[in-house]
Amino acid sequence: NAGVTQTPKFQVLKTGQSMTLQCAQDMNHEYMSWYRQDPGMGLRLIHYSVGAGITDQGEVPNGYNVSRSTTEDFPLRLLSAAPSQTSVYFCASSYRRATGNTEAFFGQGTRLTVV
Amino acid sequence: GQQVMQIPQYQHVQEGEDFTTYCNSSTTLSNIQWYKQRPGGHPVFLIQLVKSGEVKKQKRLTFQFGEAKKNSSLHITATQTTDVGTYFCADTSYNTDKLIFGTGTRLQVFP
Repeated sequence: NAGVTQTPKFQVLKTGQSMTLQCAQDMNHEYMSWYRQDPGMGLRLIHYSVGAGITDQGEVPNGYNVSRSTTEDFPLRLLSAAPSQTSVYFCASSYRRATGNTEAFFGQGTRLTVV
Repeated sequence: GQQVMQIPQYQHVQEGEDFTTYCNSSTTLSNIQWYKQRPGGHPVFLIQLVKSGEVKKQKRLTFQFGEAKKNSSLHITATQTTDVGTYFCADTSYNTDKLIFGTGTRLQVFP
């Protein structure tokens, strides 16, 4: 099983450019989410989705868009890249249960630098 | 809003010493999950605690969930160099559907 696949692993953007980070999972998980990780800040939730066609904002959604047209895919779009978006981005997925989400599986991460 | 804090932010220990990280929430936690992230890697699930006062063990790791479900702890007995990494707690809120991570504790183990 591939699990959660993120592409690309590394990316350098110029300020103002746009790009899409790809995330795909093959475990039929309902819940998918995007996090950014900055030194000393832990993992901060950007956007999440509880199923195809449903997305919602997390803690730090500004400057990012998401869509969930299928169960498998959850791309993250940077509309106009800024240096403050330099970070490591992780995609994660899990099952949803009435008592909360089950264990989250993470992709390998995308290291993004905006110059 | 939901805030999950962890202390300490960073700790270094001599191999063989014990280590504890604490997770505290401003709101009642639904369930608590713990993850480990090795340097340069991605977070990997360790365990989930559901019940008030719950205690679970995995070899040298002991996880506790507070009676009021507002805090949790991870204790490692006799650390080894393989324990190096950052440990995160996360709240799986079934009310908001969000999985919110704590700030993490980075553990360094010196041989």
